[in-house]
Amino acid sequence: DIVMTQSPDSLAVSLGERATINCKSSQSVLYRSNDKNYLAWYQQKPGQPPKLLIYWASTREFGVPDRFSGSGSGTDFTLTISSLQAEDVAVYYCQQYDSTPYTFGQGTKLEIK
Amino acid sequence: EVQLVQSEAEVKKPGESLKISCKGSGYSFTNYWIGWVRQMPGKGLEWMGIIYPGDSDTRYNPSFQGQVTISADKSISTAYLQWSSLKASDTAMYYCARPKSPGASNYGMDVWGQGTTVTVSS
Repeated sequence: DIVMTQSPDSLAVSLGERATINCKSSQSVLYRSNDKNYLAWYQQKPGQPPKLLIYWASTREFGVPDRFSGSGSGTDFTLTISSLQAEDVAVYYCQQYDSTPYTFGQGTKLEIK
Repeated sequence: EVQLVQSEAEVKKPGESLKISCKGSGYSFTNYWIGWVRQMPGKGLEWMGIIYPGDSDTRYNPSFQGQVTISADKSISTAYLQWSSLKASDTAMYYCARPKSPGASNYGMDVWGQGTTVTVSS
């Protein structure tokens, strides 16, 4: 199985500041024939199902604010929130969908400082 | 509107059987894979497995293989997750979710059910 490891486990950022969450996979999720990274990011707020934010590591889902961005390739990925808003308080998960089982990271809890 | 609607919360005793459901609407149910994700209380997301309702092709996470059965009835646009003998450790929220692209299991999941809480307690 591909192991996904996120860092940090929790993060406190001031409103308007940048938040950065990292995700590392135990093996590459880059499929060289199409140059796509099989990596998604989700946001989960309390009492709600997860919401897809980013897929192919850097493609923003329709309707997701442009303060959310994804980057990285191969085994190292980053989710960046450029200017934290109060409604961004949530747990964030990365997931690889390169090979089954499509494993998730352990989650990063983002709070307001 | 594209949506997945899951069955209501369940409270069961250890050893009992259970089948929970996930009904798709607003899209061609047979053309999209449906996955199941477990979230134990206060914990993270675990990918359990995925099924293609068009031909019932199913992939399991080895950690869940033999513990649950994933199935689908395309005639009523419904996927299922079932247990033959529940344990207390099966207590969790279970979500169904649909990958974004038709015919592809390997995609981000853009449509999620509301979740079904399963509580197993004597």
